[in-house]
Amino acid sequence: KQEVTQIPAALSVPEGENLVLNCSFTDSAIYNLQWFRQDPGKGLTSLLLIQSSQREQTSGRLNASLDKSSGRSTLYIAASQPGDSATYLCAVKGDKIIFGKGTRLHILP
Amino acid sequence: EPEVTQTPSHQVTQMGQEVILRCVPISNHLYFYWYRQILGQKVEFLVSFYNNEISEKSEIFDDQFSVERPDGSNFTLKIRSTKLEDSAMYFCASSRTGGPLNQPQHFGDGTRLSIL
Repeated sequence: KQEVTQIPAALSVPEGENLVLNCSFTDSAIYNLQWFRQDPGKGLTSLLLIQSSQREQTSGRLNASLDKSSGRSTLYIAASQPGDSATYLCAVKGDKIIFGKGTRLHILP
Repeated sequence: EPEVTQTPSHQVTQMGQEVILRCVPISNHLYFYWYRQILGQKVEFLVSFYNNEISEKSEIFDDQFSVERPDGSNFTLKIRSTKLEDSAMYFCASSRTGGPLNQPQHFGDGTRLSIL
């Protein structure tokens, strides 16, 4: 049974720092993995989609990596800004779609 | 920028009643989805819909649930006889191509469903 875990559950860092969010999954038989952000009271915003054949994807200050064999993905945020404060979710698609519970990120001005 | 809109933002319904949640996807999108998030829990995929039929569904999406695209703009989720455990935030999403998680999706802000 696929399980997706995101650690830590919450993270506070000073503005300007680079940071890494982690996502781990137990079954490496996935088609793809996607990172989302969720702002309070809002829906999800898709950030980066990594197909199973890819190792990483980049968009602006965001870089997501995927290591299927170890069941890990990381989301790297460079030069963090207060506007990056949100909950970040990862989700994997295998025979089912499973979301992690998210990491609540707070960027301190 | 085009948005996915959901109505109502909050729906309160008595247990056992039918409820319909409404969504207007982005106009040139072809794939439509419903997800739910019980308070404090993970987001869960319910169903995807393409070409007027269900293309994928989860174990949660049982006979109590149905989806419909009644006209060219709306996409609805119906729960026939609501239970207390149906209380959750329900998110609609759409994408131009692909299935759930195959392509970036655009999400609405959700409908909070409260079952009394």
